[in-house]
Amino acid sequence: NAGVTQTPKFQVLKTGQSMTLQCAQDMNHEYMSWYRQDPGMGLRLIHYSVGAGITDQGEVPNGYNVSRSTTEDFPLRLLSAAPSQTSVYFCASSYRFDGSNQPQHFGDGTRLSIL
Amino acid sequence: GDSVTQMEGPVTLSEEAFLTINCTYTATGYPSLFWYVQYPGEGLQLLLKATKADDKGSNKGFEATYRKETTSFHLEKGSVQVSDSAVYFCALSESGGTSYGKLTFGQGTILTVHP
Repeated sequence: NAGVTQTPKFQVLKTGQSMTLQCAQDMNHEYMSWYRQDPGMGLRLIHYSVGAGITDQGEVPNGYNVSRSTTEDFPLRLLSAAPSQTSVYFCASSYRFDGSNQPQHFGDGTRLSIL
Repeated sequence: GDSVTQMEGPVTLSEEAFLTINCTYTATGYPSLFWYVQYPGEGLQLLLKATKADDKGSNKGFEATYRKETTSFHLEKGSVQVSDSAVYFCALSESGGTSYGKLTFGQGTILTVHP
C-alpha cells in the first residue's frame, strides 16, 4: 500500500521556468489537496479537489494550477516560477471530502527551490 | 476566518520530562481538532483527533482534550522520549458547507528531546 506518493522529492528551478509536481494516491480517496509549508507559517492550502473533474482554490492559489482528470492523480503546476514559491509542498488525500472525521494522509513532500 | 495559534517554539526537554504544547483556535462553527506530527524528512502523520467538545484524543502516550469554553486543544505527554523529537502541528477542520474538510494549521512547534 503506497499511500500518497509525491515526485520529485527535490527540485531546483530558475525564475520563470515552469514545472509540474506530481501526486498520486492508491486509496481511492475522493478528496485531494496541496499545501505549502513555510517556516513559522505552518501549512497553507493552495488548491483542493473533491473528486475527478472538480477543483477549487485554497488560501494561497496564485501562481499555481491544478487539474483532476482521475481519482488517483492531482498534479500541481507552477506556471512561471518565482523565488517566493520556494517552499516544501505537500499533497494530502482523504476518503470523504467532508474531512471532519476522516484524517488526511500526507505524502513525504517536494522540496522546491527557485533561484 | 478560522485560525489556529500554537505556543512559540522550539521546545527542548530532557527524556522523561512532561510535555505541554498549547493550542488555541478561532472558528465560526463546530470544528474537528487534530494534532499532526512530522518527523524529519517525512510528511505529516495524524497523531490524534477530537470531533466534539470534551472529547479526549489519545495515541502513543499523547493526549489532548477539546475545550470549547477556552477554545483550546493542548497536547500533553507525561514522559517524553528521544524518539518524540519532531514538529507538532495543531489543526482544525470545519465540517459541511463549503469547507470540504479543509485543514487550517498552526505554525508548528519543534520539539527536541535530549537523552
